[in-house]
Amino acid sequence: DTGVSQDPRHKITKRGQNVTFRCDPISEHNRLYWYRQTLGQGPEFLTYFQNEAQLEKSRLLSDRFSAERPKGSFSTLEIQRTEQGDSAMYLCASSLGFSSPSGYTFGSGTRLTVV
Amino acid sequence: KQEVTQIPAALSVPEGENLVLNCSFTDSAIYNLQWFRQDPGKGLTSLLLIQSSQREQTSGRLNASLDKSSGRSTLYIAASQPGDSATYLCAVFHSNDYKLSFGAGTTVTVRA
Repeated sequence: DTGVSQDPRHKITKRGQNVTFRCDPISEHNRLYWYRQTLGQGPEFLTYFQNEAQLEKSRLLSDRFSAERPKGSFSTLEIQRTEQGDSAMYLCASSLGFSSPSGYTFGSGTRLTVV
Repeated sequence: KQEVTQIPAALSVPEGENLVLNCSFTDSAIYNLQWFRQDPGKGLTSLLLIQSSQREQTSGRLNASLDKSSGRSTLYIAASQPGDSATYLCAVFHSNDYKLSFGAGTTVTVRA
């Protein structure tokens, strides 16, 4: 297993367009997390899944954001009607178990630029 | 709400000097604490994970300590090298809501 994969690495879109990001976690990890990071800040929690169930969403996740994890494998994060304030690095992470005894493994992220 | 603070925000040292990075958190109800490295425009690489029952972890030139009762962790990097230049992030995993909370990071520059 090569770790957590995210696609695409970079995305430039015009304001108002929809974008979708994909995350492939480590295969045996049952928990998958999405974080957002803006310049000079630490990552902020967006949402997480245990298997296919989305257990929590942050208040940062407006109605324009939706995430899925069908069959408890890969996950997608969609942003509808993008705004310039959505420009950020979107990070995906996976872990094994609820207490994360081995810690989180992060992907390389998707850099979104809204112009 | 858990608050994680990292001090200093940035530091610059000559090659060979030891680095000391500090992290503090407000809620001691944590399962573990993880230190990450982030290169510019890249994702996060895990460096060390300390369980709440542990006092420290070591990996090569890196040593991290944890004092859960006082809400503090310190990352030591011995004999710094230019390749150590990066942003170092501290994150705590809560035992009440099962999420990681991050500090804003310390950006390190090691001068050759």
